[in-house]
Amino acid sequence: AQSVTQLDSHVSVSEGTPVLLRCNYSSSYSPSLFWYVQHPNKGLQLLLKYTSAATLVKGINGFEAEFKKSETSFHLTKPSAHMSDAAEYFCVVSPPKGYSTLTFGKGTMLLVSP
Amino acid sequence: KAGVTQTPRYLIKTRGQQVTLSCSPISGHRSVSWYQQTPGQGLQFLFEYFSETQRNKGNFPGRFSGRQFSNSRSEMNVSTLELGDSALYLCASSWGGQATDTQYFGPGTRLTVL
Repeated sequence: AQSVTQLDSHVSVSEGTPVLLRCNYSSSYSPSLFWYVQHPNKGLQLLLKYTSAATLVKGINGFEAEFKKSETSFHLTKPSAHMSDAAEYFCVVSPPKGYSTLTFGKGTMLLVSP
Repeated sequence: KAGVTQTPRYLIKTRGQQVTLSCSPISGHRSVSWYQQTPGQGLQFLFEYFSETQRNKGNFPGRFSGRQFSNSRSEMNVSTLELGDSALYLCASSWGGQATDTQYFGPGTRLTVL
């Protein structure tokens, strides 16, 4: 079985300050991990994914995440927030092989103030 | 390449009715997955189709069903609608539906059950 816990339901930052969205996973194997973003009334867009290659994963729009097996974490970071980053972010886990069955976290709403 | 398209975008039905939602995957993608998104339960996996075969199914009642056509387009059907079926239904496509494949999401169909 696999599960994902996003530790914060809401995160507020000021424009230009760093972003940290926290995600812990539980899995009986080494999973594939993803971060997706959802803007209001839009579908989900992939930010980045980890599939057992480099532990530091770079994604789109300046986001990156680090896979830490010892801490079972996959936190999402960005050095400097932009107003357009305001959206809901989902941490997602999938088994390392076999058919894709994505398990989503509850989501973290990122609020960016000017 | 065109993205994943879903029709209709919005739907209003009454309890007891049935509804059919449609999803056209990215050209060349053979796997289509469906997800339900609600404020209470978040994003939950419904089922996945590959080459017209359902390979995987989430924990939903039999009222939820789907199919895939030879051109990879997929439909999902919900019969005997209940108020709790009100949700955003998201479709995602990937090349092969493997766990490490990136899933590309459509904008969703917003279903309201009155």
